[in-house]
Amino acid sequence: DTEVTQTPKHLVMGMTNKKSLKCEQHMGHRAMYWYKQKAKKPPELMFVYSYEKLSINESVPSRFSPECPNSSLLNLHLHALQPEDSALYLCASSQDRLVIFGSGTQLSVL
Amino acid sequence: GQQVMQIPQYQHVQEGEDFTTYCNSSTTLSNIQWYKQRPGGHPVFLIQLVKSGEVKKQKRLTFQFGEAKKNSSLHITATQTTDVGTYFCAGRPSAGGTSYGKLTFGQGTILTVHP
Repeated sequence: DTEVTQTPKHLVMGMTNKKSLKCEQHMGHRAMYWYKQKAKKPPELMFVYSYEKLSINESVPSRFSPECPNSSLLNLHLHALQPEDSALYLCASSQDRLVIFGSGTQLSVL
Repeated sequence: GQQVMQIPQYQHVQEGEDFTTYCNSSTTLSNIQWYKQRPGGHPVFLIQLVKSGEVKKQKRLTFQFGEAKKNSSLHITATQTTDVGTYFCAGRPSAGGTSYGKLTFGQGTILTVHP
């Protein structure tokens, strides 16, 4: 298995909703990431987990809450988002400096 | 902080023409990776360059890493309509020593190929 799997692929939520994005990889990678990507822009790093511990938080607002339940899973909990948070959210994993991206969750906040 | 500049931002070519995108880093890189993102898709890993002066080829694609490990290029020979998409370079700083540290993306080059 050489994939990073993300669910759901699309998500529409209101500003008062709570939702979660899920990411899974079975490549044995020990680093996992959340990126945010706006249209026609490069991915922006949000969080890095290394060996299931949060190692980098790029000053992301607290309405985004990451969680790493085990070495294969990464979640991003969403609460009280704003319309400007609408974007493609990409999960990635890496080993030996090679970063592999999932297909992303296209999020729309109404 | 580290910056990776990528040019051009847009490139329109006729099918069969060549295409090149360039990346320049403000700091020395430990490695550089190239990704392709189709419209509506996600970044797909193309290649990683690690060594100073390294050149790698994948069919019509040629990737170079500069001698100083601060710049890189992607050249496509005889473009096809399937080459359409955004090409991103992404570099990891040489300082720091961690294998999972920050990957800084260039702004991307959006390639359009006219049949």
